[in-house]
Amino acid sequence: KQEVTQIPAALSVPEGENLVLNCSFTDSAIYNLQWFRQDPGKGLTSLLLIQSSQREQTSGRLNASLDKSSGRSTLYIAASQPGDSATYLCAAQETSGSRLTFGEGTQLTVNP
Amino acid sequence: EPEVTQTPSHQVTQMGQEVILRCVPISNHLYFYWYRQILGQKVEFLVSFYNNEISEKSEIFDDQFSVERPDGSNFTLKIRSTKLEDSAMYFCASRFSLAGSKYFGAGTRLSVL
Repeated sequence: KQEVTQIPAALSVPEGENLVLNCSFTDSAIYNLQWFRQDPGKGLTSLLLIQSSQREQTSGRLNASLDKSSGRSTLYIAASQPGDSATYLCAAQETSGSRLTFGEGTQLTVNP
Repeated sequence: EPEVTQTPSHQVTQMGQEVILRCVPISNHLYFYWYRQILGQKVEFLVSFYNNEISEKSEIFDDQFSVERPDGSNFTLKIRSTKLEDSAMYFCASRFSLAGSKYFGAGTRLSVL
């Protein structure tokens, strides 16, 4: 059974700092991995999707990498801004099905 | 930009009552999902739906739950007899293909009293 873990659980940084959020998964036979952003009491906003054959994806100040062999993905946020404050979730899609297995999230606070 | 729409945003019900949560997926999407998030816990998969039938369901999705696509636009989740532990945020999601991104709605907060 796939397990997804995110470290750290919470992170507080000053504005402008570059930061890395970590995601690990136990079963490397994933189909793809997706990063989401969740604002308090709100839904999930898709940030980046990495297919199992890809190493990384970029969107603006965000860069996500995937290393299937080690069961890891990272989300890099460059030049962080207070508006980046949210909970960031990673979710792995298993090869055999279509469900996403989510991590518990990293709660990011960017201080002005 | 197209989005997944969920109604209502908040539903309060008494234990034992039936509730129907409604979703309008993105119009050209083919795969539909329900997830839930109990306060302070991980987002959990409930069910996936494709070609007018359930394609996958989790252990949570027991006989008290059902899904339906009654017309070309709506996708509903019914809980037949709600329990206190059904209190959660319920998210609907859709996507065009299995390889594509899932797009989530804003959620319906279900409170069972």
